[in-house]
Formats: sequence, structure tokens, C-alpha cells
Amino acid sequence: DGGITQSPKYLFRKEGQNVTLSCEQNLNHDAMYWYRQDPGQGLRLIYYSQIVNDFQKGDIAEGYSVSREKKESFPLTVTSAQKNPTAFYLCASSIPGGVDEQYFGPGTRLTVT
Amino acid sequence: KQEVTQIPAALSVPEGENLVLNCSFTDSAIYNLQWFRQDPGKGLTSLLLIQSSQREQTSGRLNASLDKSSGRSTLYIAASQPGDSATYLCAVLVYGQNFVFGPGTRLSVLP
Repeated sequence: DGGITQSPKYLFRKEGQNVTLSCEQNLNHDAMYWYRQDPGQGLRLIYYSQIVNDFQKGDIAEGYSVSREKKESFPLTVTSAQKNPTAFYLCASSIPGGVDEQYFGPGTRLTVT
Repeated sequence: KQEVTQIPAALSVPEGENLVLNCSFTDSAIYNLQWFRQDPGKGLTSLLLIQSSQREQTSGRLNASLDKSSGRSTLYIAASQPGDSATYLCAVLVYGQNFVFGPGTRLSVLP
């Protein structure tokens, strides 16, 4: 089955620790995205990548970092510099330049205490 | 900067009712508009995508319309069922920018 997987589903960390969220897709999509979702708010773009070895900051990139070494993978690291890291994180992918329909993974809920 | 709003924020209807969810956007230079469904604690599931040259799209009991000139889209759900209970989000893709999401409408269909 083609799709996007995110792991883990739930993640708990102590304040001051960096944590990496996994996102893998087998849809052969060039573009991948990371969003953050907080209660009562729409999704906000953290980082996106249109092609391997290239990525761009979104609206709320401070305190986050990413890499795109493979087409299938786009991991997100939440660093200790992120002031309010507790949130639901969603990964998505699309084929840029075409219909541009976005497909989403199941999400990772990160809790930092 | 593109802004997307959705009205109402929450809606509760009895089973069998037809209903309309609204999405408004400020910049009419959009490439497409996509409607999603999100169940609690889950990712987003794509329902319908309308390209800028289209006026509407249909899938089963769902119909989405797009009026770029007025900056509006509506999602029509016919004969609602309890299984339709979820949060519905719209997102627009603006030329040269990224997707912008609305805050969503939380729908409850009561049996």
C-alpha cells in the first residue's frame, strides 16, 4: 500500500532534550512538508522540501531542523530552542507542479514536560 | 498574505440533515483548494480537490464548489450520518506560495 508513515505515534520528552520525528513516504512524491497543529488552530507550516538535498523554512521554523537526504524520508528534529514544542505534528507530501494534492501521514503527538 | 477562515467553528445536526460548511480566503489567485476530514487524534484525509479552473467537484454524498472571485468555497454534505462526525478543514494553494489552512469546522451528527 502506498502512503505516508510517521513514527512514533506518541512521544514524550523532558524539557531541554532534542527529539526527532520520523516521516517516510512510498508515493514517489518529490515534495514533503512538516506542519504543526495546536488545539483550535489550523495547520502551520514548519519546513518543506521540493527536492532531495533542498529544504526551505516555513512560517514557524524557529527551534526546528530538518534534512532531506533521500526522496522517501524527511525527518524533523525539535530542538531545545523550541519554546512550546508540545503539539501534534503532521507530515505531508505532494507532487509539485501538477494537481498538487496533498497526502498526510497519521501524525505524531509530542509532549514535552 | 493569504488568510483562510471557516464558518461555523462547530456544528451539530441530527442524522439525515443536509448541511453546508463554508471556507473563505482573502487572495483569489489560488492554484487549487482542497477539503480534508480529520478524526480526533488522526491525520488528514483528502476529500475533494478543486483546481482553479473548476467550479465544483463531487464524490458520493459530498459536493464542493469554488467561487474564486468572491473568495469562497462550500462543502455540501447530503443526508448526513453519525460517521460523518469529524473536523473538516479547507486549504488553499496560492501561486508561488505554500498551502494555507483554515482552522476547521467541527461537525457532530447526532443519531
